[in-house]
Amino acid sequence: QSALTQPASVSGSPGQSITISCSGTSSDVGGYNFVSWFQQQPGKAPKLIIYDVTNRPSGVSNRFSASKSGNTASLTISGLQAEDEADYYCSSYTSTRTVVFGGGTKLTVL
Amino acid sequence: QVYLVESGGGVVQPGGSLRLSCAASEFSFSNFAMHWVRQAPGQGLEWVAVLSYDGSDKYYADSVKGRFTISRDNSKNTLYLQIDSLRPEDTAVYYCTRSPGSTGYDPHFDYWGQGTLVTVSS
Repeated sequence: QSALTQPASVSGSPGQSITISCSGTSSDVGGYNFVSWFQQQPGKAPKLIIYDVTNRPSGVSNRFSASKSGNTASLTISGLQAEDEADYYCSSYTSTRTVVFGGGTKLTVL
Repeated sequence: QVYLVESGGGVVQPGGSLRLSCAASEFSFSNFAMHWVRQAPGQGLEWVAVLSYDGSDKYYADSVKGRFTISRDNSKNTLYLQIDSLRPEDTAVYYCTRSPGSTGYDPHFDYWGQGTLVTVSS
């Protein structure tokens, strides 16, 4: 149950786009279309922003999009806004019926 | 609006035990697989355990297997986590969350509680 690999930090200016990668294996990310992404603001519970690789829950901005290629999933945030500054986590279902999270990526809006 | 409210956290000595509870409301609790996820101070999210909708199937992270027990009482709309043989590295905020996904075991965690803090210290 090794954690998925995410960059520790990314940054971008308002209006720009950024992409966060999430690397796993064929036993998790690559093997199933069950990848989710969460946004976490300081002191708050995580918020689901993407599920089943590409789906956005109702109420989540369409500036958030995601994809998967092989063992790597990606989250893209377009038109960066100050309110997007937060920690972002990917997660995946695994072949042992467990869930694994990435280490998290801190997004800084410059 | 779905509500998940955790309780039972506190300060406990190494080797001690705690039972966390998660009270669910405003949804059909008995139809959903439920999960526990924890977050150590200043650290990332760590998945802990999952329990099927009827309590018949459960899985744990390797880091807690043999020490933690997940259970539920569908008549009380409550999820539990019994934590035994506590270690300092178990210090974390513990969240309960549900998965309405197609399997119930996938991380389609659409609602989360506010978390309850467990501190393991002598």
